[in-house]
Amino acid sequence: QKEVEQNSGPLSVPEGAIASLNCTYSDRGSQSFFWYRQYSGKSPELIMFIYSNGDKEDGRFTAQLNKASQYVSLLIRDSQPSDSATYLCAALNYVDKIIFGKGTRLHILP
Amino acid sequence: DGGITQSPKYLFRKEGQNVTLSCEQNLNHDAMYWYRQDPGQGLRLIYYSQIVNDFQKGDIAEGYSVSREKKESFPLTVTSAQKNPTAFYLCASSSAGGQPQHFGDGTRLSIL
Repeated sequence: QKEVEQNSGPLSVPEGAIASLNCTYSDRGSQSFFWYRQYSGKSPELIMFIYSNGDKEDGRFTAQLNKASQYVSLLIRDSQPSDSATYLCAALNYVDKIIFGKGTRLHILP
Repeated sequence: DGGITQSPKYLFRKEGQNVTLSCEQNLNHDAMYWYRQDPGQGLRLIYYSQIVNDFQKGDIAEGYSVSREKKESFPLTVTSAQKNPTAFYLCASSSAGGQPQHFGDGTRLSIL
């Protein structure tokens, strides 16, 4: 069974600090990786995607991918209360099969 | 504005009733998906379609049916055979080739 694993949290981070969210995946055929943010009662919103090993930065967000370790992470710098949400990690393989993790709840402490 | 429209936002089902959830997209995406999300749970795939007039069962297809007669539309019917239909239903679409899925706003289904 192909899986994407995330710590369910909650992860509590002080406002202004760096939030670090982690994800591991079991399917070595995974090619593309996505991070979604989901506010309570709302639908998931794509915030980052990464295809290659290394880091990808977009504003306050940095996605990191290590295919050898089958590990994906999302860093949120200068965390804001509005970043409080559940973050879903997803992995897509070469036949366009996507698997979502169950998400990590992030709570930014004012 | 391009996007995915789900309707209705809230839906109530009586015992023994079939209900249909609408999903329309104007993103020109080939692939469309239906997920179910229960409180505190992840997304579970119900059905998906990668091309018009073709669709495949996901992980929890029992009690559900779909059609894909047009590229833009992928309605989901929750049949009376689905004994625990109360959930948040999400429709998504994507273009082919490793592209991310984009989600509609969801339909919340409850039992009367």
